Amino acid sequence: QITLKESGPTLVKPTQTLTLTCTFSGFSLSTSGVGVGWIRQPPGKALEWLALIYWNDDKRYSPSLKSRLTITKDTSKNQVVLTMTNMDPVDTATYYCARGVAAKLFDYWGQGTLVTVSS
Amino acid sequence: SYVLTQPPSVSVAPGQTARITCGGNNIGSKSVHWYQQKPGQAPVLVVYDDSDRPSGIPERFSGSNSGNTATLTISRVEAGDEADYYCQVWDSSSDHPFVFGTGTKVTVL
Repeated sequence: QITLKESGPTLVKPTQTLTLTCTFSGFSLSTSGVGVGWIRQPPGKALEWLALIYWNDDKRYSPSLKSRLTITKDTSKNQVVLTMTNMDPVDTATYYCARGVAAKLFDYWGQGTLVTVSS
Repeated sequence: SYVLTQPPSVSVAPGQTARITCGGNNIGSKSVHWYQQKPGQAPVLVVYDDSDRPSGIPERFSGSNSGNTATLTISRVEAGDEADYYCQVWDSSSDHPFVFGTGTKVTVL
């Protein structure tokens, strides 16, 4: 059974750095073709892809957010960490992690975690 | 970056067929994936690679892709199909490889 779960703060202040952890089970991030990505969704809005890390440690970022994002993995712990710097109220959203397969789609998603940016 | 455009809403009566379009430049040359998202829940993959279904997804969900439009078709619509639907493509040549559509709210009348 494949599961993913996001964890991290629910409230951050403007200018702070957000650190989110995705803890997964049921698959290995050392398997060829597998990745873990982060997608966010502001309240009432569409999904927005943020970043993805592949089994071979290749990393991809949304160009519009690349300067603020860092994605890393700890294969032994089955975890992927996303950091986003200089948080702003417009970054208020539900943040999802998801398994990427064949490098091109997301077949399993975490439940999501709502992050609010407010002073 | 690549843009995927969906109609904001589609309304359909129970038992009828819902068609949700996803427009993009020469989208027919890409593989399109579709996700269903019910209120307060995470997205669920319902169609991948234009027309394949993950295990557990009813045959009522089907997809097609040609030219500048991909379509998700839901046959014999049920009340439980009411949700937001998103298309997604992977553009290997882009610096923004994962693109989601604008989303369509399907309302079952």
